[in-house]
Amino acid sequence: DGGITQSPKYLFRKEGQNVTLSCEQNLNHDAMYWYRQDPGQGLRLIYYSQIVNDFQKGDIAEGYSVSREKKESFPLTVTSAQKNPTAFYLCASSTDLTLSYGYTFGSGTRLTVV
Amino acid sequence: EDKVVQSPLSLVVHEGDTVTLNCSYEVTNFRSLLWYKQEKKAPTFLFMLTSSGIEKKSGRLSSILDKKELFSILNITATQTGDSAIYLCAPGIQGAQKLVFGQGTRLTINP
Repeated sequence: DGGITQSPKYLFRKEGQNVTLSCEQNLNHDAMYWYRQDPGQGLRLIYYSQIVNDFQKGDIAEGYSVSREKKESFPLTVTSAQKNPTAFYLCASSTDLTLSYGYTFGSGTRLTVV
Repeated sequence: EDKVVQSPLSLVVHEGDTVTLNCSYEVTNFRSLLWYKQEKKAPTFLFMLTSSGIEKKSGRLSSILDKKELFSILNITATQTGDSAIYLCAPGIQGAQKLVFGQGTRLTINP
C-alpha cells in the first residue's frame, strides 16, 4: 500500500546533539513538507520541497536543515541550534502543487530532548 | 503575515449534541480551505472548500466557506465519542503551494 513512513516514532536525544528524522513516501508525490506541532498549537511549517534538489524555508526554519536528493525521501535534521526541539514532527506530501487533494500525512515522530 | 484563528480552542459536550467549530483566516493568495481531523497522530482529510456558500457534507459532518468574510465553519450533528479529536483548518496558499494551519479545536465528546 502507498503511504508516508516516518521513523522512528519516538526519539530521545541529549541536548546539543544533532538528530535526523526520516520521511519516505511511495506515492510518487512531487511536494513534501515538514511541520512541527507543540501542545495547544497547530502545525507550523518548517521546510517544504516542490521538486528534487530544491526546498524552501517555512515559518520556523531556524535550527533545522533538510535535503531532497530523491523524490521519495525528505529527511529533517534538528540541529543543536534549535533552542526548543522537543515536539511532535509531522511529514506530509502532496500529489500536485495546486493542493487540489490536500496533504497525505505520516504518523509523526515524537522527539524528546533531555 | 498569514493568520488562521480557530475557535473555540477546546470544547466538551455530551454525546448527541451538535457542535460548530469556527475558522477565520487572513492569508495572501487564498486558494482553498481544508479541514482535517487529528485523533492520535496523523491528521486525516475531511473537506476541501473552494467556493463560497456551497455546503459540503459527509455523513454527520458538514462545512461551508464564506470568502467575503474570510470564515469557515465545521458542523457535527448527533456527536459520538468517536468524534473526539483535534480539528484543524488550513487555508491553501496559491503560488507557494502550502497549507497554513490554525491552532486547532480540541473536541471532547462525553458519553
